[in-house]
Amino acid sequence: AQSVAQPEDQVNVAEGNPLTVKCTYSVSGNPYLFWYVQYPNRGLQFLLKYITGDNLVKGSYGFEAEFNKSQTSFHLKKPSALVSDSALYFCAVNSGTYKYIFGTGTRLKVLA
Amino acid sequence: GAVVSQHPSRVICKSGTSVKIECRSLDFQATTMFWYRQFPKQSLMLMATSNEGSKATYEQGVEKDKFLINHASLTLSTLTVTSAHPEDSSFYICSADPNLAFSSYNEQFFGPGTRLTVL
Repeated sequence: AQSVAQPEDQVNVAEGNPLTVKCTYSVSGNPYLFWYVQYPNRGLQFLLKYITGDNLVKGSYGFEAEFNKSQTSFHLKKPSALVSDSALYFCAVNSGTYKYIFGTGTRLKVLA
Repeated sequence: GAVVSQHPSRVICKSGTSVKIECRSLDFQATTMFWYRQFPKQSLMLMATSNEGSKATYEQGVEKDKFLINHASLTLSTLTVTSAHPEDSSFYICSADPNLAFSSYNEQFFGPGTRLTVL
């Protein structure tokens, strides 16, 4: 069965510091991995995805994520956090079916 | 970019009434749309996959007679919560695949969600 784990409910980081939001997955077959961001009372917005190729994926708003097959991880990163990055972040996986599996979300709080 | 709208954004209704939620792709055609339910501090739970011109595919445990889905055109899918009860109160989100042929490596475009409160 496919699954996604986001081990941290909340991550706090000071503005200007690097941030990491963790995601690990379990799928049979090659994974397609996604990161989405959700602002209050809004739908999810796509940030980036890994399909194949280069393990480091760059996305919107300066975010990037690194696919690590051996550790089955796809952590989201940003070199310098902004207060406006504060939101709820979801990792999702699909292994070739119609169904996307989402993690439980990590709330990022960037402190001024 | 691809934009998905939902209407209404918020609805309050009495127990026993039915509520219809619309999901529209504004600048693209969507053969496939998805309906999710999101509980507070929890992830998105896929309820059903909506395919234009055919019956929706419901996930296990989702009552198809209670959550009626109609995907009558390539830009509109509707979710009707029939005989709503307080336990149906939730945040309902739709998403659409911007490609005419669905692919599991496509990102989804999400609507802003509908907050349903059943009194």
